[in-house]
Amino acid sequence: SQTIHQWPATLVQPVGSPLSLECTVEGTSNPNLYWYRQAAGRGLQLLFYSVGIGQISSEVPQNLSASRPQDRQFILSSKKLLLSDSGFYLCAWKPLTIRSHNEQFFGPGTRLTVL
Amino acid sequence: GEDVEQSLFLSVREGDSSVINCTYTDSSSTYLYWYKQEPGAGLQLLTYIFSNMDMKQDQRLTVLLNKKDKHLSLRIADTQTGDSAIYFCAESINGATNKLIFGTGTLLAVQP
Repeated sequence: SQTIHQWPATLVQPVGSPLSLECTVEGTSNPNLYWYRQAAGRGLQLLFYSVGIGQISSEVPQNLSASRPQDRQFILSSKKLLLSDSGFYLCAWKPLTIRSHNEQFFGPGTRLTVL
Repeated sequence: GEDVEQSLFLSVREGDSSVINCTYTDSSSTYLYWYKQEPGAGLQLLTYIFSNMDMKQDQRLTVLLNKKDKHLSLRIADTQTGDSAIYFCAESINGATNKLIFGTGTLLAVQP
């Protein structure tokens, strides 16, 4: 069966510090991978998605970046965090199938607080 | 354009039915989804409906789709306190991105 992991679960970082959040998927190959942010009281905002190793598409201009060094690993990074980067970060994956079904499976999330 | 809207809050009594509504704007959406998010957790897929269907029932859940009005609803029968959560609807945008566009989420509070 497929599982998705995110770490850390919670993180408190000072403004201006770097960030690295990791997401890994097990039990599948060639998934589409997604990073979302959920700010307090807001819906989900798609930040990045990836259809393959080294292939990253950005949805929203910001000081965050994403990388996919391996097929089932997706990393969200920042060189210098801003207060507005606080939020709940969710990683999701979608199986590579020929169907048009776009069901995505979500990880447990990382709660980031920037002080 | 891509925009999905939901009411922010719904309060019901335990045992009553809950109806959560959603409107979307992209008529080319092929699948529409309902996700549940419990406090501090990720999203869990509850159910989905294909755009050529009007209704789908799955145990206590009933999804109604009015494609003409681009309106989607989720009815939860016999609502329990364990149903308290945020419910997101999402529309599927096909193509290379395979994106899901999520609504703002509806917080369902179930009173005992």
